[in-house]
Amino acid sequence: EAQVTQNPRYLITVTGKKLTVTCSQNMNHEYMSWYRQDPGLGLRQIYYSMNVEVTDKGDVPEGYKVSRKEKRNFPLILESPSPNQTSLYFCASSLESRGRYGYTFGSGTRLTVV
Amino acid sequence: KNEVEQSPQNLTAQEGEFITINCSYSVGISALHWLQQHPGGGIVSLFMLSSGKKKHGRLIATINIQEKHSSLHITASHPRDSAVYICAVPDFGNEKLTFGTGTRLTIIP
Repeated sequence: EAQVTQNPRYLITVTGKKLTVTCSQNMNHEYMSWYRQDPGLGLRQIYYSMNVEVTDKGDVPEGYKVSRKEKRNFPLILESPSPNQTSLYFCASSLESRGRYGYTFGSGTRLTVV
Repeated sequence: KNEVEQSPQNLTAQEGEFITINCSYSVGISALHWLQQHPGGGIVSLFMLSSGKKKHGRLIATINIQEKHSSLHITASHPRDSAVYICAVPDFGNEKLTFGTGTRLTIIP
């Protein structure tokens, strides 16, 4: 089944403890992206990647890192999480950057930083 | 950066009613996306529009590039259409996406 797999679905962590949220797609998509969703603010883009080893900042990249060493994987790294990074996170992929064929979203990761 | 506004923010309707959700943006674009977020949180792509109109089942999306406006219509609405509908537009010249804050639709049986 074509899908984007995010793990974990739920995570509670403490301030400052490094964490990684994984994202993997099995559709050979070139474009992958991370978003956070907060009440009243909607979805906001964190980072995106046009292809392997090509990444760029979205609107809210502060406090996050990404890497794209393989086409299928696009992990989101929080080196030193803070409570303002408590949010619902989504990974998405698309065959190409303009989403001409639509986007496939992961199921989301609900992160709580205490 | 593109500014995206959706209206209404919340919409409650009776089953069977015709639904319209609007999306306006500030900067000319090449395409606009409509997404659906289910109550459980999952997000699904509904349409990508660059001009005119697209139809999928009871859903119809239209776009007017000159007026920088798109609408999503649902005919013969059903309680299973209850969801948050989100429009998204790319920034001009890069690959960023900017999202509207969404329209929460509730269809009452």
